[in-house]
Amino acid sequence: QSALTQPASVSGSPGQSITISCTGTSSDVGGYNYVSWYQQHPGKAPKLMIYEVSNRPSGVSNRFSGSKSGNTASLTISGLQAEDEADYYCSSYTSSSTLERVFGGGTKLTVL
Amino acid sequence: QVQLVQSGAEVKKPGASVKVSCKASGYTFTGYYMHWVRQAPGQGLEWMGRINPNSGGTNYAQKFQGRVTMTRDTSISTAYMELSRLRSDDTAVYYCARKPQRGPIDYWGQGTLVTVSS
Repeated sequence: QSALTQPASVSGSPGQSITISCTGTSSDVGGYNYVSWYQQHPGKAPKLMIYEVSNRPSGVSNRFSGSKSGNTASLTISGLQAEDEADYYCSSYTSSSTLERVFGGGTKLTVL
Repeated sequence: QVQLVQSGAEVKKPGASVKVSCKASGYTFTGYYMHWVRQAPGQGLEWMGRINPNSGGTNYAQKFQGRVTMTRDTSISTAYMELSRLRSDDTAVYYCARKPQRGPIDYWGQGTLVTVSS
């Protein structure tokens, strides 16, 4: 069982927008603005898409955006494209005594 | 450009140890923490721990305490992760990933598949 909860799958048609949620606790997502989102294509390493809740690294499309409300962070992808089909993982710093960073279980995005 | 190049796939028997290397280039090795994250087949990402290449200081996930050792060799800009007393459920792709002191985990290695099988 992952520390952060994500839906197992989401889907959308090209051009549409989708949102992936990531629910944690006040010890991680809700307590700090250190939420990141990663995109992972099959057989590839994860790629940073969003950091510190809503910041995009250089080179990442502005179709990707992030937000947070309480203990839930969200990743929104607008203008869906076929190449967006991938697994998406959220991650957060945690004040837990047992580990420093936590990940969500991942969400499979299917572009119909 | 930033590159993290990991060692090749390994097959180990239960009870054995494995040591994975991660050679960094394109940036100042001692200026960024190195984290290790694993991914079991078809599963999500799991944080294992991290090392400060400058000081050698480490922080391990409690789950792996006593079985994992993270080290580094600054002369060759390489980080290592050794996992001992391997079990079948340690079968996974192991990733190294760098992180600035302030900022996210931003670059990842290509991953190393470790298969534990009798």
